[in-house]
Amino acid sequence: QVQLVQSGAEVKRPGASVKVSCKTSGFNFNNYHFHWVRQAPGQGLEWVGLINPTNGETSYAQRFHGRVTLTRDTSTTTVDMELSGLTSDDTALYYCVREPSGTFYLGFWGQGTLVTVSS
Amino acid sequence: QSAPTQPASVSGSPGQSITISCTGTNSDIGNYNSVSWYQQHPGKAPKVIIYGVYYRPSGVSDRFSGSKSGNTASLTISGLQADDEADYYCTSYTVVNTYVFGSGTRVTVL
Repeated sequence: QVQLVQSGAEVKRPGASVKVSCKTSGFNFNNYHFHWVRQAPGQGLEWVGLINPTNGETSYAQRFHGRVTLTRDTSTTTVDMELSGLTSDDTALYYCVREPSGTFYLGFWGQGTLVTVSS
Repeated sequence: QSAPTQPASVSGSPGQSITISCTGTNSDIGNYNSVSWYQQHPGKAPKVIIYGVYYRPSGVSDRFSGSKSGNTASLTISGLQADDEADYYCTSYTVVNTYVFGSGTRVTVL
């Protein structure tokens, strides 16, 4: 069955970096785009970026430019998100989300990974 | 890229219909038929209920319907039920190859 299994919760100091992994299975990895969406405690959804695993092309929300990097490993069908220069504002639940390529349809969500930034 | 604007809250009685608006710009909602709507219950991951402005994924109740006029998309929930009480978010693709989520709407069933 379709699975997006994300890595576990992280606690980081301000200024540090965090890498969150999303291991996929149960479908053709190359037929989808993968998005990252975050949700701060008690707040709304915020789009972070996306990666096309076929060619590695990425797109990032302007506010994260220079701080976020999305990568993929086609051999392990895993997508990763690395966020640097962490501040307390980055404390949030980070979701990996699957989109059938070009459909604008964020149809399958991972379980989420809580990243806490605290001194 | 600013977030499309949604009303903070909408309420209705069981059986009634409610409509949630999502107002963007001609750089996002107005330029593409890419609007999707997501329902999120407390402590759960969001679930897509409308995509491509009008389309419902398999398994989603036909009480949910979507539309768009100009820069504003709308989600209508008819025959409101207790389980419809949740947060709702719109999203749209944009002219700079990004996505943007709306500000979110809390639906309360009275």
